[in-house]
Amino acid sequence: EAQVTQNPRYLITVTGKKLTVTCSQNMNHEYMSWYRQDPGLGLRQIYYSMNVEVTDKGDVPEGYKVSRKEKRNFPLILESPSPNQTSLYFCASSLRGDYGNEQFFGPGTRLTVL
Amino acid sequence: KNEVEQSPQNLTAQEGEFITINCSYSVGISALHWLQQHPGGGIVSLFMLSSGKKKHGRLIATINIQEKHSSLHITASHPRDSAVYICAVLPTSGTYKYIFGTGTRLKVLA
Repeated sequence: EAQVTQNPRYLITVTGKKLTVTCSQNMNHEYMSWYRQDPGLGLRQIYYSMNVEVTDKGDVPEGYKVSRKEKRNFPLILESPSPNQTSLYFCASSLRGDYGNEQFFGPGTRLTVL
Repeated sequence: KNEVEQSPQNLTAQEGEFITINCSYSVGISALHWLQQHPGGGIVSLFMLSSGKKKHGRLIATINIQEKHSSLHITASHPRDSAVYICAVLPTSGTYKYIFGTGTRLKVLA
């Protein structure tokens, strides 16, 4: 089944404790992206990747890191999480980044930073 | 002013009604997406538009590039259509960064 998977789905952590949210897709997509969703603000793009080893900042990259060493995986790293990073996070992928190909979204990761 | 504006923000309809959700944007775009987010949180892509009109079942999406406006129509609405509908645009700026509207929360009553 074609899908985007994220792990963990739920995470409660404390300020400053490094964490990684994994994202994997099995559709051989070139474009992958991370978004956060907050009440009243909607979805905002954190980072995106056009292909392996090619990443770029979205609108809210501060406090996050990403890497794209393999085509299928695009982990999101919070080196020192803070309470303002409490949010619902979505990973998404599409065949290519240009021309607005259909995006496939993961199920979401609800992160709480205490 | 947000670059992508949706209206209305909230909408309650009776089952069977024809529903229209609007999206206006202020930037040049390569494509516009309509997304659906169910109460459980999952997001699915409904349409990708760069011109004209698309139809899938009871859903119809249109876009007017000159007026920078898109509409999502739901015919014969049903309670299972209750969800948040999100408009997203891919600007032609060449950065491949999406801009999202804040969503329209639709509730269809039986």
